[in-house]
Amino acid sequence: DQQVKQNSPSLSVQEGRISILNCDYTNSMFDYFLWYKKYPAEGPTFLISISSIKDKNEDGRFTVFLNKSAKHLSLHIVPSQPGDSAVYFCAASVYGNYGGSQGNLIFGKGTKLSVKP
Amino acid sequence: ETGVTQSPTHLIKTRGQQVTLRCSSQSGHNTVSWYQQALGQGPQFIFQYYREEENGRGNFPPRFSGLQFPNYSSELNVNALELDDSALYLCASSLREKRQRFFGPGTRLTVL
Repeated sequence: DQQVKQNSPSLSVQEGRISILNCDYTNSMFDYFLWYKKYPAEGPTFLISISSIKDKNEDGRFTVFLNKSAKHLSLHIVPSQPGDSAVYFCAASVYGNYGGSQGNLIFGKGTKLSVKP
Repeated sequence: ETGVTQSPTHLIKTRGQQVTLRCSSQSGHNTVSWYQQALGQGPQFIFQYYREEENGRGNFPPRFSGLQFPNYSSELNVNALELDDSALYLCASSLREKRQRFFGPGTRLTVL
């Protein structure tokens, strides 16, 4: 049973336009959400995060939006650049001891973003 | 500041063998966790160590075991390898009170 879902395996966007990556979750106990970017042959790199007490967090070209009632979050990249082409993972965690662990991350399957020049 | 490093980069084993993967945490980090990423999937939590003790485990059998050393480096051991153990194994370090995890480049394990 997948608790974090990224329903779009891939997304193609033109350079300079907006990229919107979506993520849905089922567990209402999740209180912290993260986005990671992964290039081939590298480990995931942290991009941006958001706490459940917020509905928006910005960092440069990256903005994450959280809709708790819909259990949905999205990552906006504006403007998109060819160097943004990578696999993007959405991850969620629960504060404190959950499932015997402190804040381990539960990942979606990822969305492969291709930004075309 | 040194990031998370892992060794080896790639490894090929046969079914039934045992394997040890190694990880050096980012400087100053006291918590290490291990994740398995199968092809086409997101990383899946294996276990986490803090102060040399396991303090959390995902849905993995006991043949997956680990160690954390006083310098916060870590090992992942897998016994009786199965074909389905073929995956990218990621180590992540963090401070215990922080929510963010910093990942290493991973070890690609192939079981034949």
